[in-house]
Amino acid sequence: SQQGEEDPQALSIQEGENATMNCSYKTSINNLQWYRQNSGRGLVHLILIRSNEREKHSGRLRVTLDTSKKSSSLLITASRAADTASYFCATDGFGYGNKLVFGAGTILRVKS
Amino acid sequence: NAGVMQNPRHLVRRRGQEARLRCSPVKGHSHVYWYRQLPEEGLKFMVYLQKENIIDESGMPKERFSAEFPKEGPSILRIQQVVRGDSAAYFCASSPGGLIKNTGELFFGEGSRLTVL
Repeated sequence: SQQGEEDPQALSIQEGENATMNCSYKTSINNLQWYRQNSGRGLVHLILIRSNEREKHSGRLRVTLDTSKKSSSLLITASRAADTASYFCATDGFGYGNKLVFGAGTILRVKS
Repeated sequence: NAGVMQNPRHLVRRRGQEARLRCSPVKGHSHVYWYRQLPEEGLKFMVYLQKENIIDESGMPKERFSAEFPKEGPSILRIQQVVRGDSAAYFCASSPGGLIKNTGELFFGEGSRLTVL
């Protein structure tokens, strides 16, 4: 079964709006990462947040982590059409060994 | 600044044939991971290799699938006697060290898309 589950499955917003995606996971983790995938392409790393961190920023991205609820959120501010992509959370949870386990992803569409 | 190189990008095979997918990691990276992605789904872990060693193959089907990462040359994911259900995108990723010690990102290739007719 998936370690991470994102919601919503799909999100459609207007350019300039903020987009929020959520990720829940099941086991304790070392880190949680967010990746982006453009259609037909490979995954690109966006941001990593460690289990002892609560919030992290990178440009227009803001990630939060709540280990008590086993959840994370990714906020993209002032979205652009070029942000249209699938977004995945990934965890290297205890019990999952030396690998990242990915969620099913959120498909974001930003309309211009 | 070569990233992870995968080839072929697209591969078409008939049922029963063999598929060989190649992955050259980022220069200096000795850890390789293979993932499979079905349409509109997330990535499913298949296997984790270091040079000449399989570290974790818990996601690999027991039959027809094998992977190697020789001392010299690319990592190879081999699928024998392909069936239609093997149609998917196969992604390779690399890292300089194992995740537990490295606790860092994975660098992904663009994927190899296998279509089984």
